Order: sequence, then C-alpha cells, then structure tokens
Amino acid sequence: GAGVSQSPSNKVTEKGKDVELRCDPISGHTALYWYRQRLGQGLEFLIYFQGNSAPDKSGLPSDRFSAERTGESVSTLTIQRTQQEDSAVYLCASSLVLGGETQYFGPGTRLLVL
Amino acid sequence: SQQGEEDPQALSIQEGENATMNCSYKTSINNLQWYRQNSGRGLVHLILIRSNEREKHSGRLRVTLDTSKKSSSLLITASRAADTASYFCAISNTGKLIFGQGTTLQVKP
Repeated sequence: GAGVSQSPSNKVTEKGKDVELRCDPISGHTALYWYRQRLGQGLEFLIYFQGNSAPDKSGLPSDRFSAERTGESVSTLTIQRTQQEDSAVYLCASSLVLGGETQYFGPGTRLLVL
Repeated sequence: SQQGEEDPQALSIQEGENATMNCSYKTSINNLQWYRQNSGRGLVHLILIRSNEREKHSGRLRVTLDTSKKSSSLLITASRAADTASYFCAISNTGKLIFGQGTTLQVKP
C-alpha cells in the first residue's frame, strides 16, 4: 500500500526566498507530523495536526515557519525568507490517531539554502 | 529537556556479535519507540514499548524499559552487515515524538 510521500525530494534555494514542502500522509491517518533533522542530529519536532483540532505549533522555530493541512489529507510546510540555518532534511510522518501509535515516516525533503 | 539521550553515540562490531544501545529520558512517557534510519533519510519504525511494559521482542530485536530509571535499551542479536544504520529512540507523552541524537551502528562483515 502507499506510504507517506513527500515532495520535492530535494530543494536548493537562495537565501531570502520562500519554499513550500508537501506531504501526503497515509490515507485514513488522522494525525500528521513535521520534523526537521539537521546533519548528524536527531529529529526536532516542528508541528502536528490531529483531525479538526487546533495544531500543536510548539516546535516551530520562528514565525517564518508555518504549516497547513487540508482536512485529513495533504499538508504543506512553508518557510519564508529562508536562511542558511534552515538547511536540513524535513520529514513528515502520519499515524492513525494522535499519540500512542507508530508514526510512519516519509522519505523527507532535503533543503539546501545557499 | 524531554529529549532522549542515547549511548553510545557510535558503535562498531563484527557481524554475528550483539549490539546494545541505551536511551535515557527525563519526563513521564506514554510509550517509547525505536527507529532505524539509513543514509539520513526516511525512518523505519522498529518497535514500540508502552509505559506499562518491561520487555518486548521482535525477531532479533529485544527492547527493555525501566520507567523507574527512565531508561530503555535496544539489543540486536546476531548482527548482520545490513543492520548498519543509525538508531533513534523517541519518547511520546503528548502525541509528538521527542527523539534522541541517535546511535550510529556499523557492523563489519
């Protein structure tokens, strides 16, 4: 069956430009998560969505980061005015319900800000 | 910080040997999960152990959880070269996962 998919796989952008990353969760999964992984580091939680509840945005590092989710489907993570420190792999995951469940990860988007 | 801390940071063993990785954390948890990552991309879920469980097995994997010590260990028995990867523990208490820095395992053929 289809897993979590993300696009693009790789993105190179210039400092100051905006980027939009996309995540397609597993069908039927109500919870969706975004994480960031810098080179050689563990994953940092950014944001999660659970159904129609207000998202938990507590991990977003600055107001340049925002995310949206349409119902229980696609999510986009937007980074405005990118900085070199934003270079990382951005991973999306989904789970059947929030918490207490396995999260299934996509392959990630590798972002390089020049 | 809620972040899990893993030990060792790097581990190199010969094929056939056992590999043990440890994870410590600071807060209460609903469950603790172990993931594997190859080549810095997508993570693969290995095993989930709930806070009321003490030990769990899956194939060559054995996970223990000691909530009194706030620690967990992952044992891979009879390691194979294909087990070479980074392994992360992640704690869950409010829905999101808090990851450790990971242990890089190299299994030499």
